[in-house]
Amino acid sequence: ILNVEQSPQSLHVQEGDSTNFTCSFPSSNFYALHWYRWETAKSPEALFVMTLNGDEKKKGRISATLNTKEGYSYLYIKGSQPEDSATYLCAFFPGGYQKVTFGTGTKLQVIP
Amino acid sequence: DSGVTQTPKHLITATGQRVTLRCSPRSGDLSVYWYQQSLDQGLQFLIQYYNGEERAKGNILERFSAQQFPDLHSELNLSSLELGDSALYFCASSVSGLAGESTGELFFGEGSRLTVL
Repeated sequence: ILNVEQSPQSLHVQEGDSTNFTCSFPSSNFYALHWYRWETAKSPEALFVMTLNGDEKKKGRISATLNTKEGYSYLYIKGSQPEDSATYLCAFFPGGYQKVTFGTGTKLQVIP
Repeated sequence: DSGVTQTPKHLITATGQRVTLRCSPRSGDLSVYWYQQSLDQGLQFLIQYYNGEERAKGNILERFSAQQFPDLHSELNLSSLELGDSALYFCASSVSGLAGESTGELFFGEGSRLTVL
């Protein structure tokens, strides 16, 4: 059974604060790590797909890093805005026909 | 629009009944996943199909079954429904396949909201 863990479970920050969350995953049989944003009343959408150790991806104020040797990824949000409020899911993909395994998510609420 | 279509969007039924949820994956995607989201819970993995074959099974109840058809659409059948089966059911698709062909990124449908009264 693959273990994908995320912390913290939930987070409240003030508008303008920067924040980060952690995803840990197995360091063996790695192929890709995904980050999804899941807004209330919507379906999850991929933010980043990362495959290489040391990868850094950025989209606007959100960025992510990947360390496959030690099995962790960080997601950073700079200057949080209320529209960033969502659940952020990470997911581990071992490749091939195997299934994607999700963490339980970090629920972020940005207070105006 | 993710390209994944789920029907129906909403369904209200009574306990003991049976329903079928349908999912059409993105064009070219061979892998289909089903997830359940109950009230305030996360994504609970139910089952995965790849090109018509079951590939992985999660905590799917025996009252639930699924299949993927030759045209790659998938159906999730829920029978002997109970109040606790009320949830949002998501389908997601992915290219998947041989290593190097896909990063496994999932594309989600909008979900089918099932209410059991």
